[in-house]
Amino acid sequence: QVQLQESGPGLVKPSQTLSLTCSVSGDSMSSGSYYWSWIRLPAGKGLEWIGRIYTSGFTNYNPSLKSRVTISLDTSRKQFSLKLSSVTAADTAIYYCARAYTYGPLVYFDYWGQGTLVTVSS
Amino acid sequence: DIQMTQSPSSLSASVGDRVTITCRASQSIAIYLNWYQQKPGKAPKLLIYAASTLQSGVPSRFSGSGAGTHFTLTISSLQPEDFATYHCQQSSNSLLTFGGGTKVEIK
Repeated sequence: QVQLQESGPGLVKPSQTLSLTCSVSGDSMSSGSYYWSWIRLPAGKGLEWIGRIYTSGFTNYNPSLKSRVTISLDTSRKQFSLKLSSVTAADTAIYYCARAYTYGPLVYFDYWGQGTLVTVSS
Repeated sequence: DIQMTQSPSSLSASVGDRVTITCRASQSIAIYLNWYQQKPGKAPKLLIYAASTLQSGVPSRFSGSGAGTHFTLTISSLQPEDFATYHCQQSSNSLLTFGGGTKVEIK
Protein backbone atom coordinates (compact mmCIF):
# COMPACT_ATOMS: atom_id res chain seq x y z
CA GLN A 1 0.00 0.00 0.00
CA VAL A 2 1.40 3.36 -1.05
CA GLN A 3 1.48 6.00 1.67
CA LEU A 4 2.56 9.64 1.59
CA GLN A 5 3.18 11.90 4.56
CA GLU A 6 3.87 15.63 4.54
CA SER A 7 6.11 17.27 7.14
CA GLY A 8 7.29 20.80 7.80
CA PRO A 9 6.53 23.99 9.73
CA GLY A 10 2.89 24.92 10.17
CA LEU A 11 3.66 28.62 10.52
CA VAL A 12 5.78 30.73 8.17
CA LYS A 13 6.41 34.46 8.37
CA PRO A 14 5.57 36.70 5.40
CA SER A 15 8.42 37.07 2.87
CA GLN A 16 10.08 33.86 4.12
CA THR A 17 10.32 30.49 2.37
CA LEU A 18 7.82 27.69 2.96
CA SER A 19 9.53 24.27 2.99
CA LEU A 20 7.71 20.94 3.07
CA THR A 21 8.83 17.36 2.59
CA CYS A 22 6.78 14.37 1.50
CA SER A 23 7.93 10.93 2.61
CA VAL A 24 6.79 8.01 0.47
CA SER A 25 6.41 4.36 1.46
CA GLY A 26 5.19 1.39 -0.53
CA ASP A 27 6.58 2.73 -3.83
CA SER A 28 10.11 2.59 -5.23
CA MET A 29 9.65 6.03 -6.87
CA SER A 30 11.38 4.66 -9.97
CA SER A 31 8.47 3.89 -12.29
CA GLY A 32 8.04 6.11 -15.31
CA SER A 33 4.27 5.69 -15.06
CA TYR A 34 4.10 8.02 -12.09
CA TYR A 35 5.23 11.42 -11.03
CA TRP A 36 5.07 13.34 -7.78
CA SER A 37 3.10 16.50 -7.18
CA TRP A 38 2.22 19.20 -4.69
CA ILE A 39 -1.34 20.53 -4.52
CA ARG A 40 -2.87 23.05 -2.13
CA LEU A 41 -6.33 23.95 -0.86
CA PRO A 42 -6.81 27.52 0.37
CA ALA A 43 -9.75 28.02 2.72
CA GLY A 44 -12.98 28.59 0.80
CA LYS A 45 -11.37 27.92 -2.58
CA GLY A 46 -10.75 25.01 -4.92
CA LEU A 47 -7.71 22.80 -5.21
CA GLU A 48 -4.68 24.33 -6.92
CA TRP A 49 -1.98 22.27 -8.58
CA ILE A 50 1.47 23.64 -7.67
CA GLY A 51 3.82 21.48 -9.71
CA ARG A 52 5.32 18.07 -10.40
CA ILE A 53 8.58 16.20 -10.57
CA TYR A 54 9.27 13.12 -12.63
CA THR A 55 11.58 10.32 -11.55
CA SER A 56 14.09 11.74 -14.06
CA GLY A 57 14.16 14.95 -12.07
CA PHE A 58 12.31 16.95 -14.73
CA THR A 59 9.98 19.51 -13.20
CA ASN A 60 6.94 21.44 -14.34
CA TYR A 61 5.27 24.22 -12.36
CA ASN A 62 2.02 26.15 -12.34
CA PRO A 63 2.87 29.40 -14.19
CA SER A 64 1.11 31.42 -11.49
CA LEU A 65 3.71 30.21 -8.95
CA LYS A 66 6.64 29.33 -11.19
CA SER A 67 8.92 32.19 -10.15
CA ARG A 68 8.67 31.16 -6.48
CA VAL A 69 8.49 27.35 -6.57
CA THR A 70 11.11 24.62 -6.48
CA ILE A 71 10.30 20.91 -6.25
CA SER A 72 13.10 18.42 -5.72
CA LEU A 73 13.37 14.65 -5.43
CA ASP A 74 15.55 12.33 -3.34
CA THR A 75 14.73 8.78 -4.40
CA SER A 76 17.36 7.29 -2.07
CA ARG A 77 15.45 8.69 0.87
CA LYS A 78 12.09 8.22 -0.87
CA GLN A 79 11.21 11.87 -0.39
CA PHE A 80 10.31 14.86 -2.48
CA SER A 81 10.20 18.45 -1.34
CA LEU A 82 8.53 21.79 -1.96
CA LYS A 83 10.02 25.23 -1.50
CA LEU A 84 7.87 28.31 -2.01
CA SER A 85 9.66 31.61 -1.56
CA SER A 86 8.46 35.10 -0.68
CA VAL A 87 5.23 33.86 0.87
CA THR A 88 2.25 36.06 1.69
CA ALA A 89 -1.05 35.47 3.46
CA ALA A 90 -2.44 34.28 0.11
CA ASP A 91 -0.21 31.21 0.41
CA THR A 92 -2.01 30.06 3.58
CA ALA A 93 -3.53 26.69 2.68
CA ILE A 94 -3.59 22.99 3.31
CA TYR A 95 -0.71 21.52 1.31
CA TYR A 96 -0.95 17.99 -0.06
CA CYS A 97 1.62 15.80 -1.70
CA ALA A 98 0.29 13.24 -4.16
CA ARG A 99 1.31 10.55 -6.61
CA ALA A 100 0.05 11.00 -10.16
CA TYR A 101 -0.49 8.18 -12.63
CA THR A 102 0.21 9.31 -16.15
CA TYR A 103 -0.55 7.75 -19.54
CA GLY A 104 -0.48 10.19 -22.40
CA PRO A 105 -2.77 13.11 -21.51
CA LEU A 106 -4.47 11.05 -18.79
CA VAL A 107 -3.21 12.15 -15.39
CA TYR A 108 -4.92 11.37 -12.13
CA PHE A 109 -3.88 11.44 -8.49
CA ASP A 110 -4.29 7.99 -6.97
CA TYR A 111 -2.53 8.47 -3.63
CA TRP A 112 -2.44 11.56 -1.44
CA GLY A 113 -0.85 12.58 1.82
CA GLN A 114 -3.17 13.58 4.66
CA GLY A 115 -2.34 17.25 4.11
CA THR A 116 -0.64 19.82 6.30
CA LEU A 117 -1.94 23.28 7.15
CA VAL A 118 0.56 26.05 6.54
CA THR A 119 -0.33 29.49 7.85
CA VAL A 120 1.55 32.59 6.73
CA SER A 121 1.50 35.13 9.52
CA SER A 122 3.88 37.31 11.49
CA ASP B 1 -5.43 27.85 -18.58
CA ILE B 2 -8.44 25.58 -18.87
CA GLN B 3 -11.06 26.78 -16.41
CA MET B 4 -13.20 24.14 -14.72
CA THR B 5 -16.59 25.24 -13.42
CA GLN B 6 -18.58 23.02 -11.10
CA SER B 7 -22.26 23.38 -10.34
CA PRO B 8 -23.87 23.62 -7.98
CA SER B 9 -21.30 24.83 -5.44
CA SER B 10 -23.38 23.13 -2.76
CA LEU B 11 -26.51 21.06 -2.49
CA SER B 12 -28.68 19.52 0.20
CA ALA B 13 -29.99 16.00 -0.30
CA SER B 14 -31.45 13.10 1.63
CA VAL B 15 -30.24 9.54 1.97
CA GLY B 16 -31.50 7.59 -1.03
CA ASP B 17 -31.65 10.60 -3.35
CA ARG B 18 -30.14 10.59 -6.81
CA VAL B 19 -27.54 13.36 -7.00
CA THR B 20 -25.92 14.84 -10.09
CA ILE B 21 -22.96 17.23 -10.11
CA THR B 22 -21.80 19.01 -13.25
CA CYS B 23 -18.34 20.08 -14.34
CA ARG B 24 -17.81 22.25 -17.40
CA ALA B 25 -14.49 22.96 -19.10
CA SER B 26 -13.69 26.27 -20.80
CA GLN B 27 -12.49 24.32 -23.84
CA SER B 28 -12.66 20.72 -25.01
CA ILE B 29 -10.74 18.29 -22.82
CA ALA B 30 -11.87 15.09 -24.61
CA ILE B 31 -12.35 12.57 -21.75
CA TYR B 32 -9.44 13.74 -19.57
CA LEU B 33 -11.57 14.47 -16.55
CA ASN B 34 -11.31 12.94 -13.08
CA TRP B 35 -13.52 13.13 -9.99
CA TYR B 36 -12.47 13.10 -6.33
CA GLN B 37 -14.36 12.91 -3.04
CA GLN B 38 -13.06 14.78 -0.01
CA LYS B 39 -14.33 14.47 3.53
CA PRO B 40 -13.52 17.06 6.24
CA GLY B 41 -9.96 16.77 7.47
CA LYS B 42 -9.11 14.09 4.92
CA ALA B 43 -7.25 14.00 1.64
CA PRO B 44 -9.17 13.79 -1.65
CA LYS B 45 -9.95 10.26 -2.82
CA LEU B 46 -10.05 9.31 -6.49
CA LEU B 47 -13.50 8.13 -7.57
CA ILE B 48 -13.54 8.21 -11.36
CA TYR B 49 -10.89 8.78 -14.02
CA ALA B 50 -11.08 9.34 -17.75
CA ALA B 51 -14.61 10.69 -17.33
CA SER B 52 -16.32 7.37 -16.70
CA THR B 53 -13.93 4.69 -15.37
CA LEU B 54 -14.59 3.75 -11.77
CA GLN B 55 -11.48 3.52 -9.60
CA SER B 56 -10.99 0.11 -7.99
CA GLY B 57 -12.93 -0.24 -4.74
CA VAL B 58 -15.35 2.64 -5.42
CA PRO B 59 -19.03 1.67 -5.02
CA SER B 60 -21.02 1.22 -8.21
CA ARG B 61 -23.56 3.86 -7.14
CA PHE B 62 -21.01 6.38 -8.39
CA SER B 63 -20.87 6.96 -12.13
CA GLY B 64 -19.40 9.53 -14.47
CA SER B 65 -20.22 10.59 -17.99
CA GLY B 66 -19.42 13.22 -20.55
CA ALA B 67 -16.82 14.30 -23.06
CA GLY B 68 -15.60 17.54 -24.58
CA THR B 69 -16.69 20.32 -22.24
CA HIS B 70 -19.59 18.88 -20.24
CA PHE B 71 -19.25 16.19 -17.57
CA THR B 72 -21.42 14.79 -14.80
CA LEU B 73 -20.87 12.79 -11.64
CA THR B 74 -23.95 10.89 -10.49
CA ILE B 75 -24.61 9.17 -7.19
CA SER B 76 -27.55 6.87 -7.84
CA SER B 77 -28.68 6.49 -4.22
CA LEU B 78 -26.98 8.79 -1.72
CA GLN B 79 -25.59 7.04 1.35
CA PRO B 80 -24.65 8.62 4.71
CA GLU B 81 -20.94 8.20 3.94
CA ASP B 82 -21.31 10.15 0.67
CA PHE B 83 -21.78 13.52 2.34
CA ALA B 84 -18.57 15.25 1.30
CA THR B 85 -17.08 17.73 -1.16
CA TYR B 86 -16.54 16.58 -4.74
CA HIS B 87 -13.85 17.97 -7.04
CA CYS B 88 -13.32 17.60 -10.78
CA GLN B 89 -9.84 17.83 -12.37
CA GLN B 90 -8.72 18.03 -16.01
CA SER B 91 -5.47 16.79 -17.50
CA SER B 92 -5.94 17.68 -21.16
CA ASN B 93 -3.52 20.55 -20.66
CA SER B 94 -0.13 20.22 -18.92
CA LEU B 95 -1.36 22.87 -16.47
CA LEU B 96 -3.64 20.68 -14.38
CA THR B 97 -6.70 22.48 -13.03
CA PHE B 98 -9.53 21.65 -10.65
CA GLY B 99 -13.09 22.81 -10.30
CA GLY B 100 -14.17 24.87 -7.32
CA GLY B 101 -15.78 21.89 -5.57
CA THR B 102 -19.35 20.86 -4.78
CA LYS B 103 -20.32 20.30 -1.16
CA VAL B 104 -23.04 17.69 -0.65
CA GLU B 105 -24.84 18.25 2.65
CA ILE B 106 -27.56 16.42 4.55
CA LYS B 107 -31.07 17.81 4.08
